[in-house]
Amino acid sequence: QVQLVESGGGVVQPGRSLRLSCVASGFTFRSYAIHWVRQAPGKGLEWVAVIWPEGSNKYYADSVKGRFTISRDNSKNTLYLQMNSLRAEDSAVYYCARDPSGSTGTTEEGYFDFWGQGTLVTVSS
Amino acid sequence: EIVLTQSPGTLSLSPGERATLSCRASQSVSSNYLAWYQQKPGQAPRLLIYGASSRATGIPDRFSGSGSGTDFTLTITRLEPEDFAVYHCQHYGTSPLTFGGGTKVEIK
Repeated sequence: QVQLVESGGGVVQPGRSLRLSCVASGFTFRSYAIHWVRQAPGKGLEWVAVIWPEGSNKYYADSVKGRFTISRDNSKNTLYLQMNSLRAEDSAVYYCARDPSGSTGTTEEGYFDFWGQGTLVTVSS
Repeated sequence: EIVLTQSPGTLSLSPGERATLSCRASQSVSSNYLAWYQQKPGQAPRLLIYGASSRATGIPDRFSGSGSGTDFTLTITRLEPEDFAVYHCQHYGTSPLTFGGGTKVEIK
């Protein structure tokens, strides 16, 4: 079955960096766009970034553009989120979420058919 | 950016009752690219509806989505105990992807 498992969260000081990983299994990873979505404690969901199946196209929310980088290693079925210059407002649970693009034959649909369990990032001094 | 406003913020109902959740967009959502998710405490969201009215795989038929343009509705015809949760709407098709603030369906 489809599984997405995030890791790499933790407590980090403002201005520092953190890299999140998401290991996928149960589907042909290289055929699907994958997103990062975050949720601050007690708040709603916020889309962060997407990477297309071959990694050729990447798009970001304005709130993280220039600070975060999404990447993938299709040989390892792994998605990454490099987060630099972290701010208190980046504190959230970060989910990786599969886009159903691989099932529909597109590069990106824009919604999320499977989600990981999330990893918590806390930015605090 | 399309802003999605969900109402009500909280819906207090009893098992067996009908739930009607609203999601209103600040501008027309192209091609009805609107999804709904269910989220229980401590869990990741789960896809319920995409394309405004198509049920995702394995979703019971008591969940239905409707609407077009700027006004969308998620209906749960008869609430089961496991349906008490937070529901989020999300638009797609234009960037950035955005979510509504959520509606909590709680037991009355």
